[in-house]
Amino acid sequence: AQSVSQHNHHVILSEAASLELGCNYSYGGTVNLFWYVQYPGQHLQLLLKYFSGDPLVKGIKGFEAEFIKSKFSFNLRKPSVQWSDTAEYFCAVTGSSNTGKLIFGQGTTLQVKP
Amino acid sequence: NAGVTQTPKFRVLKTGQSMTLLCAQDMNHEYMYWYRQDPGMGLRLIHYSVGEGTTAKGEVPDGYNVSRLKKQNFLLGLESAAPSQTSVYFCASSYDRVATEAFFGQGTRLTVV
Repeated sequence: AQSVSQHNHHVILSEAASLELGCNYSYGGTVNLFWYVQYPGQHLQLLLKYFSGDPLVKGIKGFEAEFIKSKFSFNLRKPSVQWSDTAEYFCAVTGSSNTGKLIFGQGTTLQVKP
Repeated sequence: NAGVTQTPKFRVLKTGQSMTLLCAQDMNHEYMYWYRQDPGMGLRLIHYSVGEGTTAKGEVPDGYNVSRLKKQNFLLGLESAAPSQTSVYFCASSYDRVATEAFFGQGTRLTVV
């Protein structure tokens, strides 16, 4: 069965610290990978996505993620976080043969202290 | 352009009552999804639809039914609500099978007492 696992459930950082959130997936075919963000009181928004090509993808607000196929991973990074990055972050996967199901990980709550 | 709209935004039900959550999208998307969000469990897929007139089960379909009679609408029904269905429900839609980007509604906070 397809699954997505996010290693960190709750992360607390100070402003300007670097961020890396882990995401591993379990899927047998070609995958498409996403990171979504949910700011407090808001709906989910797309941060970035990987479909093919360069495994290092850049998204909005200075976020980037690296797809490592051999490790089934798609970790999210940001060199220097801001207080406004406080949110919940979700990794998600869909595949070429799963008829469109978009499967999410458990989410990571990021708290950035000013 | 409203995107994805969910109604209602909040609801309190008594155990055993029924209700329908409505999701409407104005982007002509083929795919629509219903998720529930619970603390520590992320978003879990309840049901989804790959086009008008079609529905399919997700990860946690028990206790829910859905219908997609019109392309723009995706209804989620609870026939006999249970406290375990207390959650925040999100509807999403996407243009194609690989979900190039899924657009989400604002969510419905449902409490079953």
